[in-house]
Amino acid sequence: DTGVSQDPRHKITKRGQNVTFRCDPISEHNRLYWYRQTLGQGPEFLTYFQNEAQLEKSRLLSDRFSAERPKGSFSTLEIQRTEQGDSAMYLCASSLRGAGAGETQYFGPGTRLLVL
Amino acid sequence: SQQGEEDPQALSIQEGENATMNCSYKTSINNLQWYRQNSGRGLVHLILIRSNEREKHSGRLRVTLDTSKKSSSLLITASRAADTASYFCATDAGAGKSTFGDGTTLTVKP
Repeated sequence: DTGVSQDPRHKITKRGQNVTFRCDPISEHNRLYWYRQTLGQGPEFLTYFQNEAQLEKSRLLSDRFSAERPKGSFSTLEIQRTEQGDSAMYLCASSLRGAGAGETQYFGPGTRLLVL
Repeated sequence: SQQGEEDPQALSIQEGENATMNCSYKTSINNLQWYRQNSGRGLVHLILIRSNEREKHSGRLRVTLDTSKKSSSLLITASRAADTASYFCATDAGAGKSTFGDGTTLTVKP
């Protein structure tokens, strides 16, 4: 399967613990995105990378959140000192940035986080 | 707040009927995309329509875009039970990231 993969698929943690999620994009894609989705709502943009550079961060991304894409391939999203409000589905997507307008983002299956 | 808003929030139809969902947005866009999401799963890309296009077709899907009204519609013809899912529109204003609405939940009854 050459789609976007995310690991783990589910994570249950206690409040105050740190968690790290991994995303492996489609291999030739140079852009990678992180979104967060809560029940009954659409995905909300968190941050995105072009190659290894983090180009934009949403104000939703507090200082407890950090994302990296060290070699321009896979990415990690870490949440420190988790809070119950962090419970959500964390979605990763990748795309190929081209010269023209209109790039399709391909989404992974998501990591569902539950903070107790 | 989200850029796009889907309407209706929920739609229930019988198998074989057509389903129409609408999306309105607030700012100028480069393109608009529709996605499907089955419960608890990731999003599946359905169709992309660019700002200079007015209509696109893909199989049983028909998407229209009216940039003067800042709105789009997704029509699913001859619906099937397997079409039961949430449908989201997402707008790209040029920065690459997509801004999603809160979706329309479609239920197709067999």
